[in-house]
Amino acid sequence: SQTIHQWPATLVQPVGSPLSLECTVEGTSNPNLYWYRQAAGRGLQLLFYSVGIGQISSEVPQNLSASRPQDRQFILSSKKLLLSDSGFYLCAWSVQNNQPQHFGDGTRLSIL
Amino acid sequence: GDSVTQMEGPVTLSEEAFLTINCTYTATGYPSLFWYVQYPGEGLQLLLKATKADDKGSNKGFEATYRKETTSFHLEKGSVQVSDSAVYFCALSEVGGNEKLTFGTGTRLTIIP
Repeated sequence: SQTIHQWPATLVQPVGSPLSLECTVEGTSNPNLYWYRQAAGRGLQLLFYSVGIGQISSEVPQNLSASRPQDRQFILSSKKLLLSDSGFYLCAWSVQNNQPQHFGDGTRLSIL
Repeated sequence: GDSVTQMEGPVTLSEEAFLTINCTYTATGYPSLFWYVQYPGEGLQLLLKATKADDKGSNKGFEATYRKETTSFHLEKGSVQVSDSAVYFCALSEVGGNEKLTFGTGTRLTIIP
């Protein structure tokens, strides 16, 4: 069966520090991969999605970036975090043909 | 562009009460519709889905019917339990849109014994 792993579960970082969140999927090949952010008291905002290795689409301009170095690995990064980057970050995957997305357990990021 | 409008929360109900969470959507094509649930401190889980008009998705006693004429996908449950307390998200996905999900803002549901 397919599984998705996100880490770390929680992270506290100072303003201006770098960020790297990792997401991996097991049990499937060539999935679509997604990064979402859920700010406190708000809905989910799609940040990036990828349909293949090295293919990244950005939905919202920001100081975050994403990379997909391997088929089932999706990384969210920042060179310098802002206070507004605080939130709950969720990775998700889906197969092709209009199938549901499956989410990881999320990373709660607090910026001090 | 696509959008999803969800009933504002929070919603507080007594155990065994009837639940309705309203959801309406705007889309250019023929989207698939989903309800996701987020329990405290966890990621999102797919609750149910419907892929075409008049389809009814159901799971764990929850139901939602895809109504094209009213562009709605309201979530219902006949008798809620304390364990149903969570945040519920309505979402749509356009066919051929790289499966991107557009979410509503979520509705926090609290069930009191």
